[in-house]
Amino acid sequence: AQSVTQLDSQVPVFEEAPVELRCNYSSSVSVYLFWYVQYPNQGLQLLLKYLSGSTLVKGINGFEAEFNKSQTSFHLRKPSVHISDTAEYFCAAGRGGKLIFGQGTELSVKP
Amino acid sequence: GAVVSQHPSWVICKSGTSVKIECRSLDFQATTMFWYRQFPKQSLMLMATSNEGSKATYEQGVEKDKFLINHASLTLSTLTVTSAHPEDSSFYICSARDYQEYQETQYFGPGTRLLVL
Repeated sequence: AQSVTQLDSQVPVFEEAPVELRCNYSSSVSVYLFWYVQYPNQGLQLLLKYLSGSTLVKGINGFEAEFNKSQTSFHLRKPSVHISDTAEYFCAAGRGGKLIFGQGTELSVKP
Repeated sequence: GAVVSQHPSWVICKSGTSVKIECRSLDFQATTMFWYRQFPKQSLMLMATSNEGSKATYEQGVEKDKFLINHASLTLSTLTVTSAHPEDSSFYICSARDYQEYQETQYFGPGTRLLVL
């Protein structure tokens, strides 16, 4: 069985500060890993994905994530956040179509 | 990236009526689409997998007779909430799987907010 755990439900941070949103996964088979962002009352937008190859993945809006197989982690990072980054972030894992989502992390960027 | 649309974006209906939600992949063909449900401040829960030309596969605990799914073409899947009740009020999100060059990605629609009175 697969599971995804986002270790922080809420992350408050000041504008221009760095941020890391943590995600751990559990799976008996190799999976693809994704980070999605959800703005209020909207669907999910893909930030980045790891399918294979380089463990450092760069996405949109200046985000990046690093796949760590030994620690089964896929943490999302951004060196300097903006007010507009305030949103809910979901980590997801899956293969063959079905995705398992983490509980979500609410990123709140304060001026 | 690929675009997925949903219609309507929100709907209010009376208890006992049925509501149909459409999910379309606009610039790619999707043999597989997914339907999720999201309650406030919670994550997405997969309801069912919609396969073009065949019956949908429902997750455990999801009533297939209540949530009817039809995937009649490679760009359209519909979810019909039959005899809706207030507890069916939720945010429904669809996604479509794009599979290119041995890589797959799910693209999500903007969601449909359903309120049953």
